[in-house]
Amino acid sequence: QKEVEQNSGPLSVPEGAIASLNCTYSDRGSQSFFWYRQYSGKSPELIMSIYSNGDKEDGRFTAQLNKASQYVSLLIRDSQPSDSATYLCAVRESSASKIIFGSGTRLSIRP
Amino acid sequence: KAGVTQTPRYLIKTRGQQVTLSCSPISGHRSVSWYQQTPGQGLQFLFEYFSETQRNKGNFPGRFSGRQFSNSRSEMNVSTLELGDSALYLCASSETGIGHYGYTFGSGTRLTVV
Repeated sequence: QKEVEQNSGPLSVPEGAIASLNCTYSDRGSQSFFWYRQYSGKSPELIMSIYSNGDKEDGRFTAQLNKASQYVSLLIRDSQPSDSATYLCAVRESSASKIIFGSGTRLSIRP
Repeated sequence: KAGVTQTPRYLIKTRGQQVTLSCSPISGHRSVSWYQQTPGQGLQFLFEYFSETQRNKGNFPGRFSGRQFSNSRSEMNVSTLELGDSALYLCASSETGIGHYGYTFGSGTRLTVV
């Protein structure tokens, strides 16, 4: 059973600080990785995708990928209260086209 | 461009009944995937359809089934409902469902089984 592991949190970060969210995956052959944000009562929203080792930046968000360590992370700079949500790490399986999700990390930004 | 549309938004059903949920993907998207989300289990993959064919299937019992039509719209059916089927059912679409493309999710159907 291929797995995606995340710390469930909650992770509490002061406003303006950097929030760091981590994820490990078991499928060594996976090539595509995603971060979704889900507000309470809403559906997941794709915020970042990454498929090459290293960093990918988009505004205040930076995704980091290390395939050798099977590790993906998401950094949120200058955290805002509106960033308070559950962040889901997702991985596309190497043997199939389906995307599997971690259980999510609940992030809380305190003013 | 319209997003992924799921109907109905809310459903209440009785144990033993069956239910059909509908999903209209983003125009041009041919891959449709279904997920079940519960507080305890998170997002669990049900199945994926591409060009009217089931391409992937998750570890759910045969009571859960789906199909896709020629216009890429998809339905999922749950027969003989159980209390444990109460969940948020999410549909997600993608242009091809492979490679580096992620999914766009609909708003979901909240199913309550009583």
